[in-house]
Amino acid sequence: DSGVTQTPKHLITATGQRVTLRCSPRSGDLSVYWYQQSLDQGLQFLIQYYNGEERAKGNILERFSAQQFPDLHSELNLSSLELGDSALYFCASSVADSPVAGGRRYEQYFGPGTRLTVT
Amino acid sequence: EDQVTQSPEALRLQEGESSSLNCSYTVSGLRGLFWYRQDPGKGPEFLFTLYSAGEEKEKERLKATLTKKESFLHITAPKPEDSATYLCAVRASGTYKYIFGTGTRLKVLA
Repeated sequence: DSGVTQTPKHLITATGQRVTLRCSPRSGDLSVYWYQQSLDQGLQFLIQYYNGEERAKGNILERFSAQQFPDLHSELNLSSLELGDSALYFCASSVADSPVAGGRRYEQYFGPGTRLTVT
Repeated sequence: EDQVTQSPEALRLQEGESSSLNCSYTVSGLRGLFWYRQDPGKGPEFLFTLYSAGEEKEKERLKATLTKKESFLHITAPKPEDSATYLCAVRASGTYKYIFGTGTRLKVLA
């Protein structure tokens, strides 16, 4: 158990719909990262938040958005869903870049993922 | 452009047959190189972080090493339970992004 939690585990929805995925980081981790993993692709970085602020963006579609709340949990919102959005969505957290990291703790810890199926 | 390439894509070993997985990377400056294990449908599980060339880390049957251009994950006398996809990732200096390779799918046969 990595200490990172994600809900829901599975999500089945129709094209055109909107869904929200939720992530709670490990206790003490200020950074949250979102990744998409499709069958034929590796882990694709979507977006990172640090202590409530967006810090880095990857290949995130305009239909997707995220935020990190004051209690540090994060939500990934996916709208106008298409069949191609079906994938595993992972959240990861890290103590990297925070004052307690001491400059040498950059590893990420991943949650169990949310499997999204768009029909 | 920062890049990570893993080889081979897939590897089948007999139980007890040692081997190595390769991770080649190109970054402007390495902040850290990471190895993860991923079982089907599960989240990646952190294994090792390596920070500088010459560094080595060991855990049970796994040993990770790092040079200026690549990292190796050595698996000694593997068991069927070592079957998984092994992912390599890097974080470059001056960036907050982590770049993952596509992984090596390892199958260990009893």
